[in-house]
Amino acid sequence: TQLLEQSPQFLSIQEGENLTVYCNSSSVFSSLQWYRQEPGEGPVLLVTVVTGGEVKKLKRLTFQFGDARKDSSLHITAAQPGDTGLYLCAGDGGSEKLVFGKGTKLTVNP
Amino acid sequence: KAGVTQTPRYLIKTRGQQVTLSCSPISGHRSVSWYQQTPGQGLQFLFEYFSETQRNKGNFPGRFSGRQFSNSRSEMNVSTLELGDSALYLCASSRDRVTDTQYFGPGTRLTVL
Repeated sequence: TQLLEQSPQFLSIQEGENLTVYCNSSSVFSSLQWYRQEPGEGPVLLVTVVTGGEVKKLKRLTFQFGDARKDSSLHITAAQPGDTGLYLCAGDGGSEKLVFGKGTKLTVNP
Repeated sequence: KAGVTQTPRYLIKTRGQQVTLSCSPISGHRSVSWYQQTPGQGLQFLFEYFSETQRNKGNFPGRFSGRQFSNSRSEMNVSTLELGDSALYLCASSRDRVTDTQYFGPGTRLTVL
């Protein structure tokens, strides 16, 4: 069974701080997706990474896919209250299913 | 372009009852997936439908079933509800494959008393 472990589970920081959340597995994934989910809404796709070692930037968010394609990280620079939400990673293990991590719940305090 | 819609948004049922949830995908999307989200287990894949056929299934009991209509709209049904079925049920649509960009609906919050 393919599993994705996300850490930390909860993160509460002040506006302006930097943070990194992690998504790890013992399995290889052909691609990894990152989503953000706000209360009362469904997850919204932020980025898909497909190449080992790939780095993608989306404004203040930087996503990295590990060289072995087993892990990924999301780094947020100068966090803002609007970044608050549940961050989920999801992997394509090749079985036409997406496997989701349990998420990191981020709170950015003004 | 209208997003994925789910109805109803909230539902309260009692143990033993059954429930039907509905999902309308984005126009032109043929793949519809259903997920169960709980605080303890996170987002878990229930099943995926494509062109009215169940193409993939997660590890859930047979009480959970679904179907897809010719217009790609989908329904899921849960029979003989248990307390543990209380969850947010999310529907997602994508153009052709589960691993294409998935667009999620806002979910149906089911509470079983």
